[in-house]
Amino acid sequence: EPEVTQTPSHQVTQMGQEVILRCVPISNHLYFYWYRQILGQKVEFLVSFYNNEISEKSEIFDDQFSVERPDGSNFTLKIRSTKLEDSAMYFCASRRTQSTDTQYFGPGTRLTVL
Amino acid sequence: QKEVEQNSGPLSVPEGAIASLNCTYSDRVSQSFFWYRQYSGKSPELIMSIYSNGDKEDGRFTAQLNKASQYVSLLIRDSQPSDSATYLCAVTSAYSGAGSYQLTFGKGTKLSVIP
Repeated sequence: EPEVTQTPSHQVTQMGQEVILRCVPISNHLYFYWYRQILGQKVEFLVSFYNNEISEKSEIFDDQFSVERPDGSNFTLKIRSTKLEDSAMYFCASRRTQSTDTQYFGPGTRLTVL
Repeated sequence: QKEVEQNSGPLSVPEGAIASLNCTYSDRVSQSFFWYRQYSGKSPELIMSIYSNGDKEDGRFTAQLNKASQYVSLLIRDSQPSDSATYLCAVTSAYSGAGSYQLTFGKGTKLSVIP
């Protein structure tokens, strides 16, 4: 069964450093998402991406965040200058086409900012 | 501000019993409703989706939706210890930028099934 994959599974970085989180969505899916979950809190939407552009973003997704689909398979989230409060699990998800289609989540990347 | 509210629990039920999980949402134009299961340290995994008022059954799981009351629930029959997890309620809005239909999650209800 196709699945969303994410790398790395765990990333440790120093405050102020740039990190890139990588995702490979399911191959015939057209909508891509990043969510984050701070430990003990709810899953929060960051950004959605369709047709090579951002379709919607939350208040969390400020200028230090960016997303890119550099080739036909990868979908990346870049955090330019990490802060302590960026420490969280970051989940990539993808959806095929219809609004009622399921969003499938990847296993997540645990980001720890020291 | 779109809100999804869940009783955080923990909800403890004995093995074989029915577990009942509840969720309310604030956005009247919410369109689609989902229950995800999340084990500790893992990603959300879809259990059920429901789009219209009434009940929807899938094996041991039944989702119930009442749009007038802005309420959605999940019943788990014959609960098993392997059902012990956090159950996340999620909704999408009918008004979504460029077809985004991103999920708004509740904080989740932690379920413990006691053998």
